[in-house]
Amino acid sequence: KQEVTQIPAALSVPEGENLVLNCSFTDSAIYNLQWFRQDPGKGLTSLLLIQSSQREQTSGRLNASLDKSSGRSTLYIAASQPGDSATYLCAVFGGATNKLIFGTGTLLAVQP
Amino acid sequence: SAVISQKPSRDICQRGTSLTIQCQVDSQVTMMFWYRQQPGQSLTLIATANQGSEATYESGFVIDKFPISRPNLTFSTLTVSNMSPEDSSIYLCSARGGGVKDRYNEQFFGPGTRLTVL
Repeated sequence: KQEVTQIPAALSVPEGENLVLNCSFTDSAIYNLQWFRQDPGKGLTSLLLIQSSQREQTSGRLNASLDKSSGRSTLYIAASQPGDSATYLCAVFGGATNKLIFGTGTLLAVQP
Repeated sequence: SAVISQKPSRDICQRGTSLTIQCQVDSQVTMMFWYRQQPGQSLTLIATANQGSEATYESGFVIDKFPISRPNLTFSTLTVSNMSPEDSSIYLCSARGGGVKDRYNEQFFGPGTRLTVL
């Protein structure tokens, strides 16, 4: 059974700092991995999608990497801003289950 | 990317009643899903909505409690039946397998329906 874990569970940083969020998964037989952002009481916004054959994806100040063999992904946020404050979720889409399995989330607070 | 809308955005309901949530996608998609997110928790998949056939439910969720329809490739409904306070959650519609070609494998989510059962 696929399990997805995110570390840390919560993170508070001053504005301008670069930061890394971690995601690990137990079954490396995945098709792709997505990073999402969720603001309080809202739906999920897709940030980045990494296919299993890719090593990283970039969008603006965000960079996500994938090491499928070790079951790890990281989301790097450069020059953080207060508007980045949200919960960040990683999710893997696996071959065995054909559905998206979510991690536990990281609650990020960027202090002005 | 696919844009997903849900109605209603929120509702307050009485115990024992039912609520139907509508989900509309702005383009045809292969797969549609319904999730539940209870306060402070991550998302739990309720079921996969299959076009033209019965939905596929996850363990712990049954059709009598959460009947789902998907009459075409852009629309689905979820009904929460015989509600109790334990059903108070955010319900999210999701879709994948549509939109522009390079985002075909990406999964998108609606804004959610916040349900409170008294």
